[in-house]
Amino acid sequence: VMTQTPLSLSVTPGQPASISCKSSQSLLRSDGKTYLYWCVQKPGQPPQLLIYEVSNRFSGVPDRFSGSGSGTDFILQISRVEAEDVGVYYCMQTKEIPWTFGQGTKVEI
Amino acid sequence: QAHLQQSGPGLVKPSQTLSLTCAISGDSVSSNNVAWHWLRQLPSGGLQWLGRTYYRSRWFNDYAEFVKSRISIKPDTSKNQFSLQVDSVTPEDTAIYYCSRGPALWGQGTMVAVSS
Repeated sequence: VMTQTPLSLSVTPGQPASISCKSSQSLLRSDGKTYLYWCVQKPGQPPQLLIYEVSNRFSGVPDRFSGSGSGTDFILQISRVEAEDVGVYYCMQTKEIPWTFGQGTKVEI
Repeated sequence: QAHLQQSGPGLVKPSQTLSLTCAISGDSVSSNNVAWHWLRQLPSGGLQWLGRTYYRSRWFNDYAEFVKSRISIKPDTSKNQFSLQVDSVTPEDTAIYYCSRGPALWGQGTMVAVSS
């Protein structure tokens, strides 16, 4: 089970934002990788990958996005929120099937 | 760069079968180092993994327990695509359905309503 907090976040442009994701089990696999991802979903679109394996920014993702954590506790941080960052942010695990997702955090400006 | 293109009806009657297809470009359904998944997003926003198919010298499938008795995911190597079938649908199966190769690659989504 993946538990995200908060479920909604109202932020001022230029200010930081932070979302927490806690897993009921460790997401560290025997290959040494931790299978925790962060995605953002904009209206009418599929989820888009931001961060893979806890802390790696996906191609094209601005460096204001960063991920951290280990084992069962993870954080997504936006250093300076911009208007285009509005959307619903999900953490997800692919360590094992079924993939599971956090409830989503709605970020508004 | 790989791309997934979904197709299928947006309206299915209760008790009938939901059928969707995901066409793959830029990769192969028979690739032996990836898996091909179906997920759905409920009207509440919650995301659910439904199942996957993958090739490792032979074909394998895994399905979510809550839908295991009603679901089938099949590869079509001749068309480089894979499909989803969900039998005996009810209004609770109303959702946006996505195909995916992993967190970095999703289809565009298909809104499926189950209604008479």
